[in-house]
Order: sequence, then structure tokens, then C-alpha cells
Amino acid sequence: DQQVKQNSPSLSVQEGRISILNCDYTNSMFDYFLWYKKYPAEGPTFLISISSIKDKNEDGRFTVFLNKSAKHLSLHIVPSQPGDSAVYFCAASATGTASKLTFGTGTRLQVTL
Amino acid sequence: DTAVSQTPKYLVTQMGNDKSIKCEQNLGHDTMYWYKQDSKKFLKIMFSYNNKELIINETVPNRFSPKSPDKAHLNLHINSLELGDSAVYFCASTVGGLNTEAFFGQGTRLTVV
Repeated sequence: DQQVKQNSPSLSVQEGRISILNCDYTNSMFDYFLWYKKYPAEGPTFLISISSIKDKNEDGRFTVFLNKSAKHLSLHIVPSQPGDSAVYFCAASATGTASKLTFGTGTRLQVTL
Repeated sequence: DTAVSQTPKYLVTQMGNDKSIKCEQNLGHDTMYWYKQDSKKFLKIMFSYNNKELIINETVPNRFSPKSPDKAHLNLHINSLELGDSAVYFCASTVGGLNTEAFFGQGTRLTVV
């Protein structure tokens, strides 16, 4: 039972344009959502997070949007840069679960010149 | 200075062997985790320890035994290795409390032949 889903396994975007990565979840107990970036042969690196009490959180070129009613979140990267090429994982946790993360299957982003 | 470090990075071993993966964090975090990324790239939690106490055990076979000698270390010992244990194992840590991001090690790629 995949509680966090990333339905696009890959995405290709031109440098300078916006990258939009999507994530859906089914567990209504999730109240904290995170995006991680992963390069090959490295561990996931935390990018940005959002609490369920907010609908938007911004950090530099990265913005995460949360739509609780739709159980959907998205990560916007503007402008996209070649160094952003990586696999992006959406993750979620619920209060009282010791920050246990449930991950999506990842979206491979390729930023082309 | 690596925040969460795992050793070894690569491990190739025969079926039936017993092996250990070590993890250390120098972030002063209270909670540590083991995650497994299988061949389909699913990242799933296996265990979590808080101040040397086991708090999460996600129905992992008894052949897997985590050990936390102190809150900065969480080792994973695997007995009687099977082909299906081949995966990338990630150690992670969090400061504890509510809604915090996890910091991951670089992963240990275990190959059972």
C-alpha cells in the first residue's frame, strides 16, 4: 500500500524554466511533508518541508505547495539549473510516529541546457 | 566533517554470511534510523532508536538486529544473508521531537551473491 505517490518517474526541463514535481498522499494522519534530493551513490539530502498548517513554504528557488483537501503537494524550482538534475523524493510523517518518513518512489529531474 | 557516516559504502558477500553496517552521527541528534532502498527504489523505514531505545521496528525479519551502543551510533547486524537482502541501506538521524527533517548517510550498497 503506497501511501505516498509520485506518479511521474521522470521529468525533463530546460535550464531557466520552472520545474514542477508532484506528489500525492493517502494517509490523512500525515501532517508534515518534506522533499529530498538525491544524487547517485549519495544519501538523500533535505531540501524543503511544509507543515500541514501551511499551504506554501518558500526557500530561495524552491517552493512547496500543499493542498490538504486534495492530499497533494508540489515542489516548484525556479529557475531550474543543471545542478538540479537529480532524483527528488517526496516524504511525509505523522505526529507521534517519531518522525518516521514514508517516501514516494521518486521523480528523476533532468535539467537540459 | 560528515554529519552522518556509514561504513562500509559497498559490501559484497555470500549467502548465509553474517555482516554488520556501522553508522555514526556527530550532530548530537537523539533519534537514529535505518532505511532500506530496494531494487525498485522504494525507500522504507526499518528501525528507529531514540537514546539507545528501540522505538520503531517495521516488521523486519529477525535476522536483522540493530544495536545502539550510544545515541551517536546505530549499527545494523544481519545474520544468514539472503539474496533478497541486496539493497542500499541508509542510516539517518533527527534531532527528535515533532516535525523535523532527517539527515541521511551516504548509504551502504549490500550485494548478496
